[in-house]
Amino acid sequence: EPEVTQTPSHQVTQMGQEVILRCVPISNHLYFYWYRQILGQKVEFLVSFYNNEISEKSEIFDDQFSVERPDGSNFTLKIRSTKLEDSAMYFCASRLAGGSYNEQFFGPGTRLTVL
Amino acid sequence: SQQGEEDPQALSIQEGENATMNCSYKTSINNLQWYRQNSGRGLVHLILIRSNEREKHSGRLRVTLDTSKKSSSLLITASRAADTASYFCATVTTDSWGKFQFGAGTQVVVTP
Repeated sequence: EPEVTQTPSHQVTQMGQEVILRCVPISNHLYFYWYRQILGQKVEFLVSFYNNEISEKSEIFDDQFSVERPDGSNFTLKIRSTKLEDSAMYFCASRLAGGSYNEQFFGPGTRLTVL
Repeated sequence: SQQGEEDPQALSIQEGENATMNCSYKTSINNLQWYRQNSGRGLVHLILIRSNEREKHSGRLRVTLDTSKKSSSLLITASRAADTASYFCATVTTDSWGKFQFGAGTQVVVTP
């Protein structure tokens, strides 16, 4: 069964460093998402991406964040200068086109620890 | 309250008992989906219910949706220790590009 994959599973970085989190969505999906979950809190929407551009983003997704689909298969989230409060689990998700009724498939997540 | 709030926040039951948790939301939705998350792990999709549906079943899961009350419930029948997890509802609103708004979740502990 196709699945969303994410790498790395755990990333440790120093404050101020840049990190890139990678996701490979399911191959025929057209909508892509990033979410984050700070430990013990709910999952929060960061950004949605469709047709090679951002379709929607949350207040969390400020200028320090960017997304890219560099090669038609990978979907990346870059944090330019990490802060302590960026420590969280980051989930990538994808879904088929055809309206918002379709299930979103989530990856296993990348745990980001900022020291 | 925020979109997609679950209650109770925590639920402790014995194996074999049923577990019921509720989700309330505020704005019009396209669909509502329930996910399970084991501690520190990823999100596992359980069931999707569309705004024009009232009830869905999947194995031991039963989900209801009442759009007039803006609420949904998830029932797990004959619970097992392996059902121990956090359960989240996620709503897709009519004005979004399919983004999910998650609630804070219900933490379910099933003891043998």
